[in-house]
Amino acid sequence: DGGITQSPKYLFRKEGQNVTLSCEQNLNHDAMYWYRQDPGQGLRLIYYSQIVNDFQKGDIAEGYSVSREKKESFPLTVTSAQKNPTAFYLCASSTGTSGGYYNEQFFGPGTRLTVL
Amino acid sequence: KQEVTQIPAALSVPEGENLVLNCSFTDSAIYNLQWFRQDPGKGLTSLLLIQSSQREQTSGRLNASLDKSSGRSTLYIAASQPGDSATYLCAVISRGSYIPTFGRGTSLIVHP
Repeated sequence: DGGITQSPKYLFRKEGQNVTLSCEQNLNHDAMYWYRQDPGQGLRLIYYSQIVNDFQKGDIAEGYSVSREKKESFPLTVTSAQKNPTAFYLCASSTGTSGGYYNEQFFGPGTRLTVL
Repeated sequence: KQEVTQIPAALSVPEGENLVLNCSFTDSAIYNLQWFRQDPGKGLTSLLLIQSSQREQTSGRLNASLDKSSGRSTLYIAASQPGDSATYLCAVISRGSYIPTFGRGTSLIVHP
């Protein structure tokens, strides 16, 4: 089955720790995205990547880092510089541009990160 | 800057009702509009994608319409069921952008 997987489903972080959230897709999509979701605030974009070895900051990139070494993988590291990381993190992918139109976004199941 | 608003923020209806959820956007220069469903603690599931050249899309009991000139889309749910209870979000991709702009969603409860 094609889709997006995120792991782990739940993650607990101690103060001062860096943690990495995994996102893998087998949809052969060029573009991948990371969002943060907080109650009452909607989805906020952290980072996005349109092609391997290239990525761009979103609206709330401070305290986060990413890499895109393979087309199917886009891991997100939450660093100790992120002061309030407790949230639900969603990874998404899309085929990017196609004849001037942008295609559907598909989402993974999410990772809930809690700071202890 | 594109802004997307969803009204109402919450809705509670008895089973069997036909529903209309609204999504409005400020900049009509869009590539597409997508409707999603999100269950508690889960990711977003794509329901319907409407390209800017289209007026509507249908999938089962769902029908989404798009009126770019007025900056509006509606999601029509026919004969609602308790299993339709979820949060429904819309997102638009504006011309010149690769990034979708999301609304905050409408939380729907369908009670038996």
